[in-house]
Amino acid sequence: KQEVTQIPAALSVPEGENLVLNCSFTDSAIYNLQWFRQDPGKGLTSLLLIQSSQREQTSGRLNASLDKSSGRSTLYIAASQPGDSATYLCAVIRWGTDKLIFGTGTRLQVFP
Amino acid sequence: SAVISQKPSRDICQRGTSLTIQCQVDSQVTMMFWYRQQPGQSLTLIATANQGSEATYESGFVIDKFPISRPNLTFSTLTVSNMSPEDSSIYLCSVEWRLAGVPGELFFGEGSRLTVL
Repeated sequence: KQEVTQIPAALSVPEGENLVLNCSFTDSAIYNLQWFRQDPGKGLTSLLLIQSSQREQTSGRLNASLDKSSGRSTLYIAASQPGDSATYLCAVIRWGTDKLIFGTGTRLQVFP
Repeated sequence: SAVISQKPSRDICQRGTSLTIQCQVDSQVTMMFWYRQQPGQSLTLIATANQGSEATYESGFVIDKFPISRPNLTFSTLTVSNMSPEDSSIYLCSVEWRLAGVPGELFFGEGSRLTVL
């Protein structure tokens, strides 16, 4: 059974800091890993998708890495801003299925 | 990418009633999914809805409680039947953008926040 865990569960930082959010998964047989952002009471916004054959993806101030063999992914946020405040979720699709399995989420607050 | 619209965005319902949530996609997609997010929790998959076939439900979810329709490649509905306060959640529709038969990026609607009194 695939389990996805995110550390830390919550994070509060001053504006301008560089951040690292962690995601770990127990079964390395995955198609891909996806990072999402969720604002309170809202749906999910896709941030980055990393295929199993890739090591990292970048979009603006965001960089996500994938180490499939160790079952880990990190989301790096450079020069954080108050607008980055949200819950960040990682999710994987296990090989042989179409089901996205979500992590527990990291609630991020960036204060001015 | 895909743009997904969900209706209603929120509702307050009485115990014992049923509510149907609609999901409209701006392009044709094969795979559609319905998720539930209970307060303070992550997302849990309810069922997978493919056009032209019965929905496939995950463990703990049954068709009598969560009937799903998928009449075409751009639309789906989820009904929450005989509601109780434990059904108070955000319900989210999702579609998969598949490339060359390989699972790809998933996109989500804004969700439907349901409160049952």
